[in-house]
Amino acid sequence: DQQVKQNSPSLSVQEGRISILNCDYTNSMFDYFLWYKKYPAEGPTFLISISSIKDKNEDGRFTVFLNKSAKHLSLHIVPSQPGDSAVYFCAVTNAGGTSYGKLTFGQGTILTVHP
Amino acid sequence: DAGVTQSPTHLIKTRGQHVTLRCSPISGHKSVSWYQQVLGQGPQFIFQYYEKEERGRGNFPDRFSARQFPNYSSELNVNALLLGDSALYLCASSLLTGGYTFGSGTRLTVV
Repeated sequence: DQQVKQNSPSLSVQEGRISILNCDYTNSMFDYFLWYKKYPAEGPTFLISISSIKDKNEDGRFTVFLNKSAKHLSLHIVPSQPGDSAVYFCAVTNAGGTSYGKLTFGQGTILTVHP
Repeated sequence: DAGVTQSPTHLIKTRGQHVTLRCSPISGHKSVSWYQQVLGQGPQFIFQYYEKEERGRGNFPDRFSARQFPNYSSELNVNALLLGDSALYLCASSLLTGGYTFGSGTRLTVV
């Protein structure tokens, strides 16, 4: 069973526009949520996170929204830039519990930003 | 300041062989986690070690084992390699929870 789902395998956006990446999870015990960006031949790079006590966290062009009742989070990138083209993974964990560093990842969404 | 370093970067092994992958965490980080990423999927959790003790294990067979050394570096060992073990193996370090920083990974190909 897949506890974290990113239902869009790919997303194509024009430079300057907004990119919205979505992620759904099934377990309400998850209380800490992260987004990572990954380029080929590199490890995932941390982008932004949010804990379950918040519903929004912003860092520059990146904003993460959390809807706990819907078990849904999204990453907004505004404005999108060609350098943002990469694979984006959402990851979840139970930071307050005993999962000790176990991140559960979605399958990833390939974002392509066209000039 | 060095990030998470993994070695080797690439490796080709034959079915049935054994492999050891190495990871050095960020200075000050006492937790190391290992993940396997196969093409087209997200990373899957294998192990987490904190203060040299195993604190978590994912759904992987006993052919997979790991350990953490007094300097907090870690090794991932895989015995009796199968073709399906071909993947990118990622190491992440953190203080305990949160702030997970990944290395660039070891690309293992089993032939």
